[in-house]
Amino acid sequence: DGGITQSPKYLFRKEGQNVTLSCEQNLNHDAMYWYRQDPGQGLRLIYYSQIVNDFQKGDIAEGYSVSREKKESFPLTVTSAQKNPTAFYLCASTSGGNTEAFFGQGTRLTVV
Amino acid sequence: DAKTTQPPSMDCAEGRAANLPCNHSTISGNEYVYWYRQIHSQGPQYIIHGLKNNETNEMASLIITEDRKSSTLILPHATLRDTAVYYCIVRVANRAAGNKLTFGGGTRVLVKP
Repeated sequence: DGGITQSPKYLFRKEGQNVTLSCEQNLNHDAMYWYRQDPGQGLRLIYYSQIVNDFQKGDIAEGYSVSREKKESFPLTVTSAQKNPTAFYLCASTSGGNTEAFFGQGTRLTVV
Repeated sequence: DAKTTQPPSMDCAEGRAANLPCNHSTISGNEYVYWYRQIHSQGPQYIIHGLKNNETNEMASLIITEDRKSSTLILPHATLRDTAVYYCIVRVANRAAGNKLTFGGGTRVLVKP
């Protein structure tokens, strides 16, 4: 079955360490997105990518980095420069045009 | 992308229709209205979308006003499993516009028995 997979579901890291969150899709979608969600809040866009080897900053890109070397993969690195990295991170993809976005089940990152 | 405004929360009785409003007064002619919902600690789920005509699927109905400045998502017979946060977004869905997908705060819907 086609879908979008985020791993791991829960992740713990020490403060000051970089950490990379995985997002893989086998839907042949062109566009992929990363969002951050804090408790009781909506989704805020971190980065998005329309095609391979291209990506744009969203509304809260500081302290994060991404790459898009393959169509299927859009990993997000939370760097030590991110002041408050503990959050729920969601990845999404869409084929563009008049189609809906599909979401992964999220990664809950806790930095201690 | 145009911004949307939704009430932060609403309650609904089980078995009754739930009508969720959304204002998008700055929507442009080529922007679609999309609705998603997010059940606690899961990824958002697509519900329905439309441009200017009313739409219906197995989950819900979408009513868009003639001037397209607002819309209403209707859950015809709410169940306890419909308790979730519902997001209304508008977007231009093409590569030239960047395919940007931006969410607001949503409406937290609580279905009560």
